[in-house]
Amino acid sequence: QKEVEQNSGPLSVPEGAIASLNCTYSDRGSQSFFWYRQYSGKSPELIMSIYSNGDKEDGRFTAQLNKASQYVSLLIRDSQPSDSATYLCAVIMAYKLSFGAGTTVTVRA
Amino acid sequence: GAGVSQSPSNKVTEKGKDVELRCDPISGHTALYWYRQSLGQGLEFLIYFQGNSAPDKSGLPSDRFSAERTGGSVSTLTIQRTQQEDSAVYLCASSFNLREAFFGQGTRLTVV
Repeated sequence: QKEVEQNSGPLSVPEGAIASLNCTYSDRGSQSFFWYRQYSGKSPELIMSIYSNGDKEDGRFTAQLNKASQYVSLLIRDSQPSDSATYLCAVIMAYKLSFGAGTTVTVRA
Repeated sequence: GAGVSQSPSNKVTEKGKDVELRCDPISGHTALYWYRQSLGQGLEFLIYFQGNSAPDKSGLPSDRFSAERTGGSVSTLTIQRTQQEDSAVYLCASSFNLREAFFGQGTRLTVV
């Protein structure tokens, strides 16, 4: 079992729609969860962090965490062409920052 | 510093040569991570430092790879006798106490 798994994608959404990204993780004791955005040829950029169960909203982004289900998600509302990128789920497990393989999102104008 | 700094930005080396990649973390960050990303692929974990010690070296691909961190700050990743399959972008990230990690701009290594 991979430590961090993401829905494989790619995900194509029309401009203005909601993009939904999912992630599961293997270590029930994990406490820190992150979403990164990576544009082609660039390094990953942190967009959201979440540490407790529930929802966390920042602008058009909402992160959701359910530790009992070992599940974390990211919603992108009112998707824009500039949101087209690969989104990486990351979890700190046993002090190591582990990443999923990423989901590529394309927003169609 | 204001952010994580990596040098050089680009490195072209001949097969068989040794290379050193440097990472300057954000000041005060205790954890430092090295990853490798080949073209079109995900992040491959290499090694993690907490302070100057490396609790997890499990990702180093072979004994040609080594890394150290001194003074709880700067880290160097060394690749000996480089091979063409070592060509990739090497990324460094730092964080403080299991909080958000921030990446440098990466070093693009090309072995010819």
